Amino acid sequence: EVLLVQSGGGLVQPGGSLRLSCAASGFSFAGHAMSWVRQAPGKGLEWLSSISGSGSTTYYADSVKGRFTISRDNTRNTLSVQMDSLRAGDTAIYYCAKYIQGGSGYLASWGQGTLVTVSS
Amino acid sequence: EIVLTQSPATLSLSPGETATLSCRASQSVSSDLGWYQQRPGQAPRLLVWGASNRATGIPARFSGSGSGTDFTLTISSLEPEDFAVYYCQHRYDWPFTFGPGTKVDVK
Repeated sequence: EVLLVQSGGGLVQPGGSLRLSCAASGFSFAGHAMSWVRQAPGKGLEWLSSISGSGSTTYYADSVKGRFTISRDNTRNTLSVQMDSLRAGDTAIYYCAKYIQGGSGYLASWGQGTLVTVSS
Repeated sequence: EIVLTQSPATLSLSPGETATLSCRASQSVSSDLGWYQQRPGQAPRLLVWGASNRATGIPARFSGSGSGTDFTLTISSLEPEDFAVYYCQHRYDWPFTFGPGTKVDVK
């Protein structure tokens, strides 16, 4: 069974930093691209970032480029995102997700989500 | 950036009826489109990928069609658990984006 268990999140002040992690199990982690998606309260889904299975290729939405850094540790089956220079508009539930297969671009499995609140 | 538009914003139907949801892309995305269902308080669930392929474990009452710029998700004979929000998403090129969603609620 595919399992994505997220950790991190919480309350952070504007301008602050936070790191989210996603522990993966039940599949060949290094063989699948992974992504982060967020959902602001009461709003729709926003695809933030993706990383290839090897970690050599990364993509970012313009809204987080230069502030967020996606990474993965294939020895520990863990996906992470370092979030810097956080703003009120970054307040959202953040999900990690696994591609349906390889680098397909469709998200077949999702973590439970973790709430990030940016507020003073 | 490819923009996805979904219509209607809300669809009010009764159990047993058929839901027809539309997704339109600002430029052709070929067949590189997926559909997701999100129930309140839950993570999204992939329903359809590649415009018309049902994801693993998805009931046959969910079907996707279309290519280019116009896509449809059809839910035949709505079950109580189908009342939720549905999002389309393209993977044609980066950045991948989601549509704003269609809420299917009980009439």
